[in-house]
Formats: sequence, C-alpha cells, structure tokens
Amino acid sequence: AQKVTQAQTEISVVEKEDVTLDCVYETRDTTYYLFWYKQPPSGELVFLIRRNSFDEQNEISGRYSWNFQKSTSSFNFTITASQVVDSAVYFCALSGETLRAGKSTFGDGTTLTVKP
Amino acid sequence: GAVVSQHPSWVICKSGTSVKIECRSLDFQATTMFWYRQFPKQSLMLMATSNEGSKATYEQGVEKDKFLINHASLTLSTLTVTSAHPEDSSFYICSARDYSRIIWNEQFFGPGTRLTVL
Repeated sequence: AQKVTQAQTEISVVEKEDVTLDCVYETRDTTYYLFWYKQPPSGELVFLIRRNSFDEQNEISGRYSWNFQKSTSSFNFTITASQVVDSAVYFCALSGETLRAGKSTFGDGTTLTVKP
Repeated sequence: GAVVSQHPSWVICKSGTSVKIECRSLDFQATTMFWYRQFPKQSLMLMATSNEGSKATYEQGVEKDKFLINHASLTLSTLTVTSAHPEDSSFYICSARDYSRIIWNEQFFGPGTRLTVL
C-alpha cells in the first residue's frame, strides 16, 4: 500500500526563520514520483516540485530547498528566511507505477503559519 | 501551459437538488482526470478516476450513483452531485494528466469548487 506521512500537523515560526517540513513515504514500487504542493487560503493547489525515485539530487530554488533520501524514505522541504506569504498548508504526495494511471496519495498536510 | 479550470468556483444549493461541476483542461489534452474531495482542515481524498470515453472508476466508499462523472471529451470532465445533502458540502478539486507529459505521472489541479448545501 502507498502511504505518505506528514507528522507535523501545524508549525508556527516568526518571519525570517528557516523551517523544514517533513515527509515520509511508503511504497513497494521501484519507480515512483514525489511532489510537494502549497495550498494557500484561497484553496488552489500550487505545484512546488516533483522528483522521481531515480533522482536523489537535492535541489535549491530561491528560498526553497528539498532533501530527498531514499534510504530513509523521506522527502523534506525547507523554506529559508520564511515570509508571511509562505503561510499555507503544504502537502506531500506520492504517485507510484502500480497506482492507477498516475493516481496520487496525499499526506495529511502541514499548516505553516509565519508570523510577522 | 497546463492550465485546468473549474466551474463554478463556488455554489450554494438547497438540499435535494443536483449540482454539476465542470473541469476543463484549457491548453492540453487530458485522457485522465481525477476528482478529489477535501473537507475543512483535511487532506485531499480521491473520489474517482475519469477516463475519456469510458466509465469512471470510483474509490472504495464513494457512491457512484450519487457522484456521477462524465468524461465526454479530452478536455472536459463533469461531476454531478445528485440529491445533494448538507454532508456533501465540501471543496471539490479536479486534476488532469497531460498525455504528452505522462512520464512524470504529474497532475495539474483546478482551482476547486466550494459546494455548500443548505
């Protein structure tokens, strides 16, 4: 079975602090895809990043960075120098090759509040 | 590119009525679309997978006669909530797969439809 665990339900930080959102996944597939999405109060999901299981290269994009480690089945997301506009719910998602044509399993989400 | 729209963005209806929600891929062809439901402060729960020209596949526990899905073209899927009741009030989100970028198993999400049943 596919499973995504985001152990942190809510995180609150003060502006300019760094924050890391954790994501742990379970899958029996050898080929799979991991995603991070941001859902602001408006409700629309915003795609942030995708990774396939063969690409463990970590990535930095502006204030965002991702740490993918297959050995620990983790795909963590870090925001550096957080801003109030980063306040949102963040979802980690998994899509595996045995899932029906791209169906994704979502974690329960982490609500990030950045205070001024 | 890869834009998905939903209509309406919000709807309020009386209990017992039916509501239709449209999901359109605006600049790509989507052989597969997904419908999710999200209750307040909860995650997205997949309701069904919609394939163009065939019957939708529903997840366990989702009533197919209550949530009618039609995927008549490569750019349009509709979800009809029949005989809606207050417990159907939720945020409904659709997503679509771009056939030309199928390798990534990526889905492009619509902005969601907020349904309130009185």
